[in-house]
Amino acid sequence: NAGVTQTPKFQVLKTGQSMTLQCAQDMNHEYMSWYRQDPGMGLRLIHYSVGAGITDQGEVPNGYNVSRSTTEDFPLRLLSAAPSQTSVYFCASRAGWPEYGYTFGSGTRLTVV
Amino acid sequence: KNQVEQSPQSLIILEGKNCTLQCNYTVSPFSNLRWYKQDTGRGPVSLTIMTFSENTKSNGRYTATLDADTKQSSLHITASQLSDSASYICVVNAGNMLTFGGGTRLMVKP
Repeated sequence: NAGVTQTPKFQVLKTGQSMTLQCAQDMNHEYMSWYRQDPGMGLRLIHYSVGAGITDQGEVPNGYNVSRSTTEDFPLRLLSAAPSQTSVYFCASRAGWPEYGYTFGSGTRLTVV
Repeated sequence: KNQVEQSPQSLIILEGKNCTLQCNYTVSPFSNLRWYKQDTGRGPVSLTIMTFSENTKSNGRYTATLDADTKQSSLHITASQLSDSASYICVVNAGNMLTFGGGTRLMVKP
């Protein structure tokens, strides 16, 4: 049981490049979310999904796209990378009820130069 | 605006000592509050969950308290170990939306 798997672990991009951060979970969780974590700040929600085919914006969605074609996968796409997107990105998932805690991936450290 | 404030921002203690981390929140509607431990380079891992009706909950050497009237929670770590060195994040659940505190970075020194 792998939990939540994120790839890559590290990435350096040039300004204007695009890329996709991968997230996969094998727990059949309905809810999946993407967060970014910046120094001195709490994790901020980028996008989330309540099930396959359903996504919605979080607190800081600009510059990011998501899709949820399967229950297992929830990729995050950076359309045109900017230095302000330098951050650590975490994918998380949980079962249906809010009482269940989120399981977090180990993160992707992204640097945009 | 929903907010979660944690204090202190960082803390250094000697191995074997106790410490208490604080969390104040203004989140509505309140569903539950969780404390997460985040080791360096890893994702957060849940330590304990507090619902509205719970005042105290323990998980080994970790004890969380919740005062729903004053909207405060604390995480007490007893007999600290070097492996307790991590960031501790308070997360309040309002319906399906989470509000994260900025975390307390704890360093336990031998």
